[in-house]
Amino acid sequence: NAGVTQTPKFRILKIGQSMTLQCAQDMNHNYMYWYRQDPGMGLKLIYYSVGAGITDKGEVPNGYNVSRSTTEDFPLRLELAAPSQTSVYFCASSLLAGGPNEQFFGPGTRLTVL
Amino acid sequence: AQTVTQSQPEMSVQEAETVTLSCTYDTSESDYYLFWYKQPPSRQMILVIRQEAYKQQNATENRFSVNFQKAAKSFSLKISDSQLGDAAMYFCALTFPPDSNYQLIWGAGTKLIIKP
Repeated sequence: NAGVTQTPKFRILKIGQSMTLQCAQDMNHNYMYWYRQDPGMGLKLIYYSVGAGITDKGEVPNGYNVSRSTTEDFPLRLELAAPSQTSVYFCASSLLAGGPNEQFFGPGTRLTVL
Repeated sequence: AQTVTQSQPEMSVQEAETVTLSCTYDTSESDYYLFWYKQPPSRQMILVIRQEAYKQQNATENRFSVNFQKAAKSFSLKISDSQLGDAAMYFCALTFPPDSNYQLIWGAGTKLIIKP
């Protein structure tokens, strides 16, 4: 049981390039989330999904896109990378949302845009 | 607006001693849930402890306990018998029942240093 996995662990992009951050979970969780963590700040929600085929915007969705074709996978797409997207990105999942339900996190992807 | 504030960017404690991390929050809702998550240097966020607002009894998980003061909107984390493995960033987070806005609202974190 691997939990939540993310690839890559590190990536450097040039301004204007695009990339996809991969996230997968093997816990059969319905809910999945993408967060970004900037230095000295708490996590900010980018996008979330309540199940395969259903996604919605979080607090900071601009410059990102997601898809959820399967329960297991929830990739995050960065189009036209900008320096403001330099951050650490975390994927998380939960069986249920809200209330006392725990979110399980991946190890993160450190992205630098130069 | 709902907010979570952690006023201590960094705390340090001697190994085996007790430390308390502060968290205050603001919400007009009466039903909510509070969490402390730990982020060690490996970066992977781990749940430490959770508290339901409707429960008056403070949550406890082994060496970790909370002091939940609902009227003061305060939710501090006490770590007893601190160990080197407790060194990490600690985040306080707030959420609401599943049938409402269930997104987690996060504090900025407190870096905990354990002195050997």
